[in-house]
Amino acid sequence: NAGVMQNPRHLVRRRGQEARLRCSPMKGHSHVYWYRQLPEEGLKFMVYLQKENIIDESGMPKERFSAEFPKEGPSILRIQQVVRGDSAAYFCATSSTGVGVHEQYFGPGTRLTVT
Amino acid sequence: AQKVTQAQTEISVVEKEDVTLDCVYETRDTTYYLFWYKQPPSGELVFLIRRNSFDEQNEISGRYSWNFQKSTSSFNFTITASQVVDSAVYFCALSEDQGAQKLVFGQGTRLTINP
Repeated sequence: NAGVMQNPRHLVRRRGQEARLRCSPMKGHSHVYWYRQLPEEGLKFMVYLQKENIIDESGMPKERFSAEFPKEGPSILRIQQVVRGDSAAYFCATSSTGVGVHEQYFGPGTRLTVT
Repeated sequence: AQKVTQAQTEISVVEKEDVTLDCVYETRDTTYYLFWYKQPPSGELVFLIRRNSFDEQNEISGRYSWNFQKSTSSFNFTITASQVVDSAVYFCALSEDQGAQKLVFGQGTRLTINP
């Protein structure tokens, strides 16, 4: 019974490049949440997606960040033209339903370093 | 608006001492959920407990115990007879019952258990 998978676990990008972070939910889970953890800080909600729909993106920066969860395949968090301030750990969490169940299972995270 | 405050940034104790991590929350909802997560040096998030707002009973799990008091909006976590393996950053989090049910995290408390 595989848990939530994220890849890559570590990603290094130069300023101006694009970063693509992937999250494969647990089997049977169709809800994905992305969180960002800046150094020495707590986790901050970014976006909540269901299959093919963005439900809540109130925590996403207005520019350069986007997220998708296609019908087939993993959820993708994309950061275009990365800057040093994007260096952080990005966690995804998944659940079987967004309503009435509050068990979000976290992946191991992707640590993004922008040089 | 939701808010979680962990006033203790860092705590350092000697092994076998008892230690309590404080968590104070703010929410306008009457139905909500509270969580504790552990983040060891390896970086992953380990789920410890979930409580809903209607269940104020204290909970004990081995050396861990939680004290939920709605009157003071607190959900404190106590480790009895601490061990070096308890060293980690501990996060308290809140989720409301409506909307996206995203988790709102506190800033975390870094706990160091010295041998």
